[in-house]
Amino acid sequence: DTAVSQTPKYLVTQMGNDKSIKCEQNLGHDTMYWYKQDSKKFLKIMFSYNNKELIINETVPNRFSPKSPDKAHLNLHINSLELGDSAVYFCASSQAGDRATYEQYFGPGTRLTVT
Amino acid sequence: AQSVTQPDIHITVSEGASLELRCNYSYGATPYLFWYVQSPGQGLQLLLKYFSGDTLVQGIKGFEAEFKRSQSSFNLRKPSVHWSDAAEYFCAVHGSNDYKLSFGAGTTVTVRA
Repeated sequence: DTAVSQTPKYLVTQMGNDKSIKCEQNLGHDTMYWYKQDSKKFLKIMFSYNNKELIINETVPNRFSPKSPDKAHLNLHINSLELGDSAVYFCASSQAGDRATYEQYFGPGTRLTVT
Repeated sequence: AQSVTQPDIHITVSEGASLELRCNYSYGATPYLFWYVQSPGQGLQLLLKYFSGDTLVQGIKGFEAEFKRSQSSFNLRKPSVHWSDAAEYFCAVHGSNDYKLSFGAGTTVTVRA
């Protein structure tokens, strides 16, 4: 069983479109994250949810809107896609509160290409 | 805020040779340190982590890392690399009072036969 899964794995779309990426974890964790990896492979956190509550919201355009329907799911919706949104988006999860579990588990990534 | 520097962008090593990847961090309190590996087209896999205690930590795939507080470093080592170790390696630091994991820019490891 995949611990953290993302769909789709690849997403090719045109500028101006709206798209969503879905993430699910079956680890029983209460915290989930979205990261963006740019073309130079630099990883930067975008959002984090703890028990469905937004706890990290980095400087991200408001075209990006995360939604957490429950602890096991964190989706990322992107409006009016731009060329600069092309990247690999990673979902991750962890269990907050106990320092022994600061470890984050990552999904396989979604490669978004905007043309 | 915490930050991580990986000074080496790209390292090429012969199969069977030793490997050391450098990582320096900046954080005011005790950091929680991690090394992740990303194989081509894959997600990130945790190699090892340091929270406290023994400063030499062992990880998966034969990797180890040493925490040196005086040098603010957490270098990753492997005595003998295999061709399958060719990948991108990321050092990361987690603050003790927040949820944020900050990554270094990564080091690309190429293994030649």
